[in-house]
Order: sequence, then structure tokens, then C-alpha cells
Amino acid sequence: SQQGEEDPQALSIQEGENATMNCSYKTSINNLQWYRQNSGRGLVHLILIRSNEREKHSGRLRVTLDTSKKSSSLLITASRAADTASYFCATDGGTSYGKLTFGQGTILTVHP
Amino acid sequence: GAVVSQHPSWVICKSGTSVKIECRSLDFQATTMFWYRQFPKQSLMLMATSNEGSKATYEQGVEKDKFLINHASLTLSTLTVTSAHPEDSSFYICSANEGLGAFGYTFGSGTRLTVV
Repeated sequence: SQQGEEDPQALSIQEGENATMNCSYKTSINNLQWYRQNSGRGLVHLILIRSNEREKHSGRLRVTLDTSKKSSSLLITASRAADTASYFCATDGGTSYGKLTFGQGTILTVHP
Repeated sequence: GAVVSQHPSWVICKSGTSVKIECRSLDFQATTMFWYRQFPKQSLMLMATSNEGSKATYEQGVEKDKFLINHASLTLSTLTVTSAHPEDSSFYICSANEGLGAFGYTFGSGTRLTVV
């Protein structure tokens, strides 16, 4: 069952602006990951943050994790039109790594 | 990096026929693979865990007789949608577990199934 909820469901911004997406989950996790999906395509892994980490950076991406609130956020700085895609958080909470529970996703549109 | 190849990328079939989708790990061995389903504008739902050399583990509500999974080797898992119906039309995507929990997981490019 889906345990993740993301907000906003859709986000529309101008190029150069920052985009922030939030994710909440319900059960304990080993790690939380963010993925990107272009329309009709497969998923691309963006970043993974472990349950004992609070913040992680990768290029223009910044992810935070608050396990007490069971929430995470993804910040994309200086957005580009090419960042237009759907973004999903996914939690890995089981003993078998790779069995992910996905959030509902945020559709990001970056206007040139 | 790790690559997972999924084939075909899209398929159209008639109601009542069966369709096989392949998921291959190209540069690593995967004892476990995962099959997800995604309806338009929705999120991914885990269907089953494919285990090399043993039976797949299906999520609640997924019909194992309709979605046959075979993981005959360490690099190949197949999903067969049997007696397909229009409601089976969806995007099916697999991922492979390298066993490295510290890293992200690799997904195939997905298969768009349309049943007419």
C-alpha cells in the first residue's frame, strides 16, 4: 500500500527559481529516496538519505529528513526547463532492500 | 553504473492473449528483482518480488495466476500478463536489487501495455 504522500501535487515555476517538494510517510524506514520520472519513461534515482542522516546534497539537490515527523523534502535550486518531470519519494523500510513504497509524486513544470 | 534493461518498451495486444515482459540486469547479478505497476498520472505500486530460483512473492491484491513471474537466472526476470484484459493496460516497470543498500536502486525503462 502507498504510505507516502507528497505535496504539492503539482508545482509550476520559472527557470532560475527554487522548487521544494515535500514527502510524508507512516512507518519506520531504513532510507528514503527521491526519483525523477519523465513522462512515460522509467525512473531515475536522484538521491538517497539514510534514516540516521538529516540532510544530504547532490549538485543542485538538497534533501532533508526528519524521522520524528516522518517527513522529507527535496529542494532543487536554480531550476531549469530540463528539470520538468514528476518527482517521487520512496521509502525502504523492509529487511529486503529494494522493496520500495512510493509517494504520490509531484509534477514539476519549469517554464523557460 | 548499473543498468537494467526492460523489453519491450511498449506492446499492444488483444484481449485474451498473454504478454511477456523481460527485465535484465546487464552488468550485475540480481538475486532479487521487483515489479511495479503504474496507472496514468498515478504513483508506482509494488506488484511482486521476484526471487531467483524460487517463487515470487506477491503483494496483497495481486493475482499470482494472472501475473506470472519467473526468475530463472541471476540476470533475468520475466513478467507474463496472462489472458490480458483492457483493465490490465498500464505501465509496468522493474527494478533490480544489487544488494547494496546504501545506494539507489536501478529501474528499467518500463513497458507500456495496451490491451485492446
